[in-house]
Amino acid sequence: KQEVTQIPAALSVPEGENLVLNCSFTDSAIYNLQWFRQDPGKGLTSLLLIQSSQREQTSGRLNASLDKSSGRSTLYIAASQPGDSATYLCAMGSNYQLIWGAGTKLIIKP
Amino acid sequence: EAQVTQNPRYLITVTGKKLTVTCSQNMNHEYMSWYRQDPGLGLRQIYYSMNVEVTDKGDVPEGYKVSRKEKRNFPLILESPSPNQTSLYFCASSRAGGPRTDTQYFGPGTRLTVL
Repeated sequence: KQEVTQIPAALSVPEGENLVLNCSFTDSAIYNLQWFRQDPGKGLTSLLLIQSSQREQTSGRLNASLDKSSGRSTLYIAASQPGDSATYLCAMGSNYQLIWGAGTKLIIKP
Repeated sequence: EAQVTQNPRYLITVTGKKLTVTCSQNMNHEYMSWYRQDPGLGLRQIYYSMNVEVTDKGDVPEGYKVSRKEKRNFPLILESPSPNQTSLYFCASSRAGGPRTDTQYFGPGTRLTVL
């Protein structure tokens, strides 16, 4: 069974810190790994998609890496800001659906 | 603006009263999907559609129906809602490759409460 795990479930850090969110998955035959952000009362916003043939993707202060051999992906957020506070979800792309982790709730303290 | 819209955003209803949650996208996407999100269970797929008139079950299809008569619309139908269908529902769309290759775009969610 394909599973995606995110640890920790919650994280609180002071503004300005660099931080790493972790995601692990069980299927090495992954098609892609996607990172999303979920804000209360709003939908899911796509942040980054890493295809299985890629090692990393970058967008602004965000950098996501993918290591298929170890079944791990990380989302690196540089110079965190209070506006980065949200729940971050990773999801593994399969044939017809995304397989989701439970998310990491991130709080950035001003 | 490229977007996925869902209506209603919030709905409180009673057991057994048929309802429809609409989903529409303006990006000419072939693939569309419905997920439900529950505390402790995360996001689970209900149904998906690879193109017009092509739909298939996800992991939790019981109690739901869908149709895809037009490319832009993918309504979710609850014929006889029950309290265990109380949840936050998301519609998603993408280009033809679906989750296997393409970024998924999500609607704002519909919070459904069945009493």
